[in-house]
Amino acid sequence: QVTLKESGPGILQPSQTLSLTCTFSGFSLSTYGMGVGWIRQPSGKGLEWLANIWWDDDKYYNPSLKNRLTISKDTSNNQAFLKITNVDTADTATYYCARMVAIPMDAWGQGASVTVSS
Amino acid sequence: DIQMTQSPASLSASLGETVTIECRASEDIYSNLAWYQQKPGNSPQLLIYDANSLADGVPSRFSGSGSGTDYTLTISSLQPEDVATYFCLQHSSRPLTFGSGTKLEIK
Repeated sequence: QVTLKESGPGILQPSQTLSLTCTFSGFSLSTYGMGVGWIRQPSGKGLEWLANIWWDDDKYYNPSLKNRLTISKDTSNNQAFLKITNVDTADTATYYCARMVAIPMDAWGQGASVTVSS
Repeated sequence: DIQMTQSPASLSASLGETVTIECRASEDIYSNLAWYQQKPGNSPQLLIYDANSLADGVPSRFSGSGSGTDYTLTISSLQPEDVATYFCLQHSSRPLTFGSGTKLEIK
């Protein structure tokens, strides 16, 4: 059974760096073809793909967030990470991680709510 | 970026009815399209991948079709548990982009 769970700070202030962790089970990021993606959703709004990382450490980012994103993984501990620098109120959202294989985003975590507020 | 135009934004239908939701891509996405269902307070769940393949455990009343730029999600025999928001996702090219969503309600 594939499960993913996101964790984050909950609340942070503008200009700070948001650090998110995705802890998963039921698959390994060392397996050929496996990947994890990050997606966010502001309350009551649509979904935005942010980044994904693959088993071979290939990484892809959404250009709309320019150079603010860094994705990484810890294969030994079945975790993936996302950092977003210089956050502002527009980054307030629920952040999801999802497994990516030949089928994109076939399993999602429950989401981590993040509020950026001074 | 490939733009995904999803319609309608909202939909109200009666139990037992058949409903259709459409997504149009701004360029050919070669059937690299998935559909997701998001119930209130929950994370999205995969329904359809590769435009017309049913994900594991998804009821057969859900089906997908289309090619090129135009894709459709069809829900036959609408059930109360189908109340949700539905999103399409193109993964033909990066950045991956979602449709804006269709909120489905029961009349």
